[in-house]
Amino acid sequence: DSGVTQTPKHLITATGQRVTLRCSPRSGDLSVYWYQQSLDQGLQFLIQYYNGEERAKGNILERFSAQQFPDLHSELNLSSLELGDSALYFCASRARDQETQYFGPGTRLLVL
Amino acid sequence: GDSVTQMEGPVTLSEEAFLTINCTYTATGYPSLFWYVQYPGEGLQLLLKATKADDKGSNKGFEATYRKETTSFHLEKGSVQVSDSAVYFCALSGGGADGLTFGKGTHLIIQP
Repeated sequence: DSGVTQTPKHLITATGQRVTLRCSPRSGDLSVYWYQQSLDQGLQFLIQYYNGEERAKGNILERFSAQQFPDLHSELNLSSLELGDSALYFCASRARDQETQYFGPGTRLLVL
Repeated sequence: GDSVTQMEGPVTLSEEAFLTINCTYTATGYPSLFWYVQYPGEGLQLLLKATKADDKGSNKGFEATYRKETTSFHLEKGSVQVSDSAVYFCALSGGGADGLTFGKGTHLIIQP
């Protein structure tokens, strides 16, 4: 158990819909990262937050957004969903001054 | 930009065989290097890491040495077990706020 939690575990929705994925980092970690894992693209970094502020952006689509709240949990919002958005979405957290990221169990999104 | 190249497999071995999974990288500066493992239906777990040239990371019988001259971080294990069957990801961190850059993953299958 990494100490990073994600909900829900599975999500099935339809094209055009909007969903929110939730992540709680390890106790004390201020950084949260979001990744997408798909068969064709592999594991890709989406976005990073540190103590409530956006710090870095990777290959995140404009239809996707994220935020980190004062209690440090983070949410990834995916809108106008397309079939190709079906993937595993992971969040990870990192301690200050450490490079290791600890991953949650992931949310499996299926867009029908 | 940064990139990681690893053999994709599947790699099929018999129990007690010697394992090598090759990983090479391209990065500016001096990245930290990681191996993560993903068991079926689970998230990514850190297996080992190395933060500077010539460092050797080790865990659970697995080893990898950070070779700056060949830009490599090959994963080895002297005697694999059926329980080692999983997908193994090589990754690098360029430091700073950016997320990890992952290879495509190597699916390892160990037969009894």
